[in-house]
Amino acid sequence: QLQLRESGPGLVKPSETLSLTCTVSDASISSSASYYWGWIRQPPGESLEWIGNIYFNGGTFDNPSLTSRVTISVDTSKNQFSLRLNSVTAADTAVYYCARGVRTYNGQVFFDYWGQGTLVSVSS
Amino acid sequence: EIVLTQSPGTLSLSPGQRATLSCRASQNFGNTYLAWYQQKPGQAPRLLIHGSSNRATGIPDRFSGSGSGTDFTLTISRLEPEDFAVYYCQQYGSSPYTFGRGTKLEIK
Repeated sequence: QLQLRESGPGLVKPSETLSLTCTVSDASISSSASYYWGWIRQPPGESLEWIGNIYFNGGTFDNPSLTSRVTISVDTSKNQFSLRLNSVTAADTAVYYCARGVRTYNGQVFFDYWGQGTLVSVSS
Repeated sequence: EIVLTQSPGTLSLSPGQRATLSCRASQNFGNTYLAWYQQKPGQAPRLLIHGSSNRATGIPDRFSGSGSGTDFTLTISRLEPEDFAVYYCQQYGSSPYTFGRGTKLEIK
């Protein structure tokens, strides 16, 4: 069964860059045009916020509220995709999830498989 | 940005009862691009429903979704002990995709 696992530092200093990688197991990122690969975050005790998605060919679309700070990339040779969020503040403290997005016939995306999540704290 | 308002914030029911959760959108986001997720403490969200009314793989038929336009409903016909959790709706018809603030379903 498809598995996703986030990895990266659990603590980032303010103004620095948050970097996370999602490793996909038991499925190939590039094997199907039916899926996007996404990042979603959840501040402690709060709801969920969609960050952005990437396609196997590197095409991305993301949340306009984060666009200026977000970079999502994919490495199909390693079956991984990554998130970089620069200039972080305490407001970026959250559990970060990677997920598989199912692409509908006209390109809309919902998330059917999620990683377990990783807590990233922003603090000096 | 489309705002999703979920109600009630907390729902207290007993096993065996029927649960009705509401999700209202600030504007129509086209078609029925709405999903429901269940989240238990310390776990990732789990997809229950997509396309407003389509159960995800492996989801019991006591879970059902309905609605279109701006009003959507998740119904759990007979609550099982494992159903007590937080439920989120998400619209994916308009970017940015947004989530509601959640309904906590607790044991009465």
